Amino acid sequence: DTVLTQSPALAVSPGERVSISCRASEGVNSYMHWYQQKPGQQPKLLIYKASNLASGVPARFSGSGSGTDFTLTIDPVEADDTATYFCQQSWNDPRTFGGGTKLELK
Amino acid sequence: QVQLQQSGAELVKPGSSVKISCKASGYTFTSYDMHWIKQQPGNGLEWIGWIYPGNGNTKYNQKFNGKATLTADKSSSTAYMQLSSLTSEDSAVYFCARTEGPNWFAYWGQGTLVTVSS
Repeated sequence: DTVLTQSPALAVSPGERVSISCRASEGVNSYMHWYQQKPGQQPKLLIYKASNLASGVPARFSGSGSGTDFTLTIDPVEADDTATYFCQQSWNDPRTFGGGTKLELK
Repeated sequence: QVQLQQSGAELVKPGSSVKISCKASGYTFTSYDMHWIKQQPGNGLEWIGWIYPGNGNTKYNQKFNGKATLTADKSSSTAYMQLSSLTSEDSAVYFCARTEGPNWFAYWGQGTLVTVSS
């Protein structure tokens, strides 16, 4: 299976820029997607196919990368962005998710 | 608007089976895959498999072969997942999700908590 590796946690101050990384154990082309999950809620799609903003998602969120290295950027970070962020690939079977990065605000 | 409404929490005994549901509305049920995803407490997400309600075709993550069975009822626009031979490792929140693309999960149910305990 394709393993997606994310750093477990980050802490930033409101107004700053944060980059959340996701590294794949093998190439996934551009088929990397990003989700935000708040406690007790279902995940919410933020970015699809590496860099496309999902409908209704603020332009503060952006994505980049291809192959094995991908980044989700939030600029500027707001208090409401406190959540866990997951990457997910759909290029290789089975589809897999990263372990999640918990974003905390200082 | 697309909505996926899942059935309520279940408390089940080890060795038993459970069937959870996901009722879809706001789109043509038979035209999109329905996926199921597992999330254990404090853990990440695992993709279980999908069903295409239009013809009943299914595809499973090999890890869940024999554990999960996906079905769909076109008349009620409802997808089902049955989990069998339950153990404590099956205690988790299970989500149904509909793709766009068809690669990314654009719509999610609210999740169903399954607790396996004697």
